[in-house]
Amino acid sequence: GQNIDQPTEMTATEGAIVQINCTYQTSGFNGLFWYQQHAGEAPTFLSYNVLDGLEEKGRFSSFLSRSKGYSYLLLKELQMKDSASYLCAVVDSNYQLIWGAGTKLIIKP
Amino acid sequence: GAVVSQHPSRVICKSGTSVKIECRSLDFQATTMFWYRQFPKQSLMLMATSNEGSKATYEQGVEKDKFLINHASLTLSTLTVTSAHPEDSSFYICSARDPDRAYEQYFGPGTRLTVT
Repeated sequence: GQNIDQPTEMTATEGAIVQINCTYQTSGFNGLFWYQQHAGEAPTFLSYNVLDGLEEKGRFSSFLSRSKGYSYLLLKELQMKDSASYLCAVVDSNYQLIWGAGTKLIIKP
Repeated sequence: GAVVSQHPSRVICKSGTSVKIECRSLDFQATTMFWYRQFPKQSLMLMATSNEGSKATYEQGVEKDKFLINHASLTLSTLTVTSAHPEDSSFYICSARDPDRAYEQYFGPGTRLTVT
C-alpha cells in the first residue's frame, strides 16, 4: 500500500528553527510537495522536490532523499503566522497526489 | 501563478436539500480537477477525480449518487451534494491540474458547507 508519515503535531518558539519530517512509501515517485494550510483555508503551495538535495526559498527550505524515501521542511526565523498545518504529498506513478495527514505546527512566543 | 476560484465560499442548507459547488480555473484550462473533503482537524480526503468530458472517478467509500460531479468544460467542474444531511457538513476543496505542469495542483479557496 501507499503510505506517508509525518508527525501529528510540533511546537516551536518564535524566532527558532523547526524541521518537519516526512517519510513515504509509494508506488512510483514523481516528486514531493509541501503545502501550508491555515485553519479554515485551502492549502497553499510551498515547495516541490523531484531531485535529491536541498531547495531553499527564503525562510523555508525543503530536502529530499529518494533513496531513503524521506523529505523534510525546514522553517527558519519562525514567526507567529507560521502556525499552521504542513502537508506532505507525493506524486505517484499515476501522477496522483498521495497526501500525508499533516503536521500541526504551534508557535509559542 | 494559476488561479482557481470556488463558489460559494460558505453555504448553509437544510437537511434534505441539494447544494451545488462550482470550481473554476481562471487562467488555464484544467483537463483534470479534484474534489476533496476535510473534516475539522483532519487531513484532506480525496473524494473524486473529475476529467473534462468524461465521468468522474470516485474514491472508495464515496457515494457517486450522492456527490454528483460534472466537468462539462475545461474551466468548470461542479459538485452537487444531493439530499444533504448534517454529517455532510464539512470543508469542500477543489483543485485543478494545469496540463502544462503535470504534477502540481492549484487549490480553490474552499467551501464551508453546514447542513442544519
